[in-house]
Formats: sequence, structure tokens, C-alpha cells
Amino acid sequence: SQQGEEDPQALSIQEGENATMNCSYKTSINNLQWYRQNSGRGLVHLILIRSNEREKHSGRLRVTLDTSKKSSSLLITASRAADTASYFCATEINSGGSNYKLTFGKGTLLTVNP
Amino acid sequence: DADVTQTPRNRITKTGKRIMLECSQTKGHDRMYWYRQDPGLGLRLIYYSFDVKDINKGEISDGYSVSRQAQAKFSLSLESAIPNQTALYFCATSDQRTGDTQYFGPGTRLTVL
Repeated sequence: SQQGEEDPQALSIQEGENATMNCSYKTSINNLQWYRQNSGRGLVHLILIRSNEREKHSGRLRVTLDTSKKSSSLLITASRAADTASYFCATEINSGGSNYKLTFGKGTLLTVNP
Repeated sequence: DADVTQTPRNRITKTGKRIMLECSQTKGHDRMYWYRQDPGLGLRLIYYSFDVKDINKGEISDGYSVSRQAQAKFSLSLESAIPNQTALYFCATSDQRTGDTQYFGPGTRLTVL
């Protein structure tokens, strides 16, 4: 079963607006990461937030993490048409000893209309 | 040059054929992964390797096998391809020393007829 679930599945906004995507997960995590995927291409890492962090910024991206609610949000401010892509959250959990692995959600498809 | 490369980029094959997908990386990372992506299902982990002598099954390993020929190379094989293995396959790498980010290849689109 999926560890992380994004919400909404699809989001359509106008250029210049903010886009917010949410991710919920089920078990304790070491960190949560957000990735971006342009259609049919490889995923690109955007930002990582550790379990002891509550908020992190990178350029126009803002990520929050609420471990009590097991949820995270990704905010893209002042969106651009080039932000059109699928966005995935991925949770890193301990798979034994010092080894970890990522589990990806199903993604949110963001469309930014010019 | 891309840090993580996958060959072939596209492949059409028939049911029952043996297929090998190859992944190479120049990042010097010790960890490599194979994922499968289907529409509406996100990415699912097939196999992963934390070093050359370490191979682990992921969420959906049935019907697949892997080989870690060297630190830089990780191959995925479908011994007898079936139509429901039609999907987009991604290789990824990460490094225990530098953190938890995974770096993805461009993907291989596989169609099994």
C-alpha cells in the first residue's frame, strides 16, 4: 500500500496564483521529500524536510511538516506555466539497520494556465 | 553528459521474450534502485541495491530480476515479459554519505504486446 498520498490528484490554476499540494502518510518517517516530474521524464528532487523540522523554504517553494498529523504541504508561490508538472511526495523510513528507502505517493498533476 | 543513463529509452517486445534494461551512473553513488511507474499508481519499487554485494526485493519484485555488475551499473531483467509489465521504468541512485536524495534517470518506456 502507498505510504504517502497526495491531495488533490489534479490542480489547475492561473499563472501568478499560488499552488498548494498536500501529502499524508501512515507511519513514522525520517524525512519527507518532494519531487517534480515533467510528462514522461525522470523525477527531479525539489526539497527535503526532516522529521524534526516544521518548515523549509527553497526559492518559490515552501514545505511544511506536521508529524502529529502525519501530513506535509508544498506551496509554490507566484506560479508560472513552466511549473506545470506532476509533484510527488516521498517518505523515507527505516528499512533496517542504517539503511533507508523512499516510498512515493501517486502524485498531484499541476497545470498552470498562462 | 547525464549522470544517470538508461538504455534503451524505448522498447517494444512480445509476450514471452527476455528483456534487459540497463542503468549506468557516473555520480559515484553506492545505492541504486529500479522503479516502475504506471498511470495513476505513482512509482513502485521493484529492487534496490545498497552496494555491489547487496540486492533487496522491493514492493513488486515478482517477474523481475536484477544484477549489480559494478558500483556504477544496475540491470533489470524481465525473464519472460507479459503485457501487464508494460510501463515506464526508472533507475535512481543515492549515496549513504551525502544524504537521502535520489537522482533519477530519464526512464525506459517498455511495451509488451
